Formats: sequence, structure tokens, C-alpha cells
Amino acid sequence: GESVGLHLPTLSVQEGDNSIINCAYSNSASDYFIWYKQESGKGPQFIIDIRSNMDKRQGQRVTVLLNKTVKHLSLQIAATQPGDSAVYFCAENRRSKYYNTDKLIFGTGTRLQVFP
Amino acid sequence: DAGVIQSPRHEVTEMGQEVTLRCKPISGHNSLFWYRQTMMRGLELLIYFNNNVPIDDSGMPEDRFSAKMPNASFSTLKIQPSEPRDSAVYFCASSLEQGAAAFFGQGTRLTVV
Repeated sequence: GESVGLHLPTLSVQEGDNSIINCAYSNSASDYFIWYKQESGKGPQFIIDIRSNMDKRQGQRVTVLLNKTVKHLSLQIAATQPGDSAVYFCAENRRSKYYNTDKLIFGTGTRLQVFP
Repeated sequence: DAGVIQSPRHEVTEMGQEVTLRCKPISGHNSLFWYRQTMMRGLELLIYFNNNVPIDDSGMPEDRFSAKMPNASFSTLKIQPSEPRDSAVYFCASSLEQGAAAFFGQGTRLTVV
């Protein structure tokens, strides 16, 4: 079936190192992807997005890479800080086969732990 | 901008009782989503509205769940009767339009005992 899934449930990195969080998607027709960060007790927070006509997009300390050939998405965080510790979700904008509309489907999440 | 506002933040209720969760989307946003988050199933889309009209409710688990959006600034998710397996964090999110990034509220943590 169609799904959005993450390769690694937990990623531990040292403060100052770069982090890479990966995501695989299965629907080749999906045209828009978003990364969210969720801290404990809070709702998912928008980080960065990318449309399928792009391969790369950069924000402040974050970069999203999209490889449509292998249906893979990654989030790179430069100089990881303790405040980056959270669960990260990729989300895929998928067209509803029932109603011919768009809806946002989330992956299972990766926990990023930053240690000193 | 106050963001998406949900109430209550926490709800503890007894099995069989009716539960109503409330959401105020970001002003000007045309799409509204209800998600449920559990450790076992992650973030699940329950239902979403576009211009106050329910578009896709295929994620609603069963008839005990219902959602309404009487106007552009308010939505409710109701569970009647509630069961212990409904315990989860329920999130409301809104987006400017369909296919755009969704912004989430702080969630309602529901515990059914």
C-alpha cells in the first residue's frame, strides 16, 4: 500500500555535528513535501517544505533534499544544537483517491537526540 | 497571529461520556484538519474541511466520531460515546488552501478511563 515512512526511529548526534534525517515515500504522484518538528507536549511545527519541481531547498541551518527517482526525502540540520532535540516528521501531500482533493499524510517520525 | 487554538488542552472523562474538542483555525485559512496522535499509530488524519465543507472523512474511525465546521472560525470534533481506546492527543491544523502547509494547534490530550 501507499505509505510515508522513515528509515531510522532514533538518531543521536553530538552537539555541533550535522544531522541527516531520512524519509521514503511511495506515491510518485505526490508533488509537495513538508518537514515538521514536534517537541514534547507541543503540536508539530512547520520547518521547511519543497515542491516536486525542486531538488533542494535551504532554510536557516536546514536543507531539504528531494530525490524523485528513488522517492526519497532528507532533512539536513547544520551544527545541531540541544534545542533541535525533537521528533521530526516528513509529510506528503497526497491526492485523495476518494474525493480528488489533497491531504497531508505523515510519516512515522524520527527522534533526534542531541548530546553534549 | 495567535495560531490555531484548541480547547481544552487536557480532558479526562469516563467511558461512555460525550467528549467535544474545539478548534479555532488561523484567520483566513480555508482548510481545516483533525488529526489523532498515538504511540502505536502515529499521526492519523481523521477528517478535513475545505471552505467549511467536509471533504474527506475516510480517516474517522467509526460512527462514534463526528466533526462539524459551522463557520470559518470554528470546528468541533465529538466522540459519543467515548471509549478508553480513544485516549490520544487530538490535533487541529489549518492551511491557507488545499495542498498548502498545515499549521497545528497545541493539541488536546484526551484520557478516557
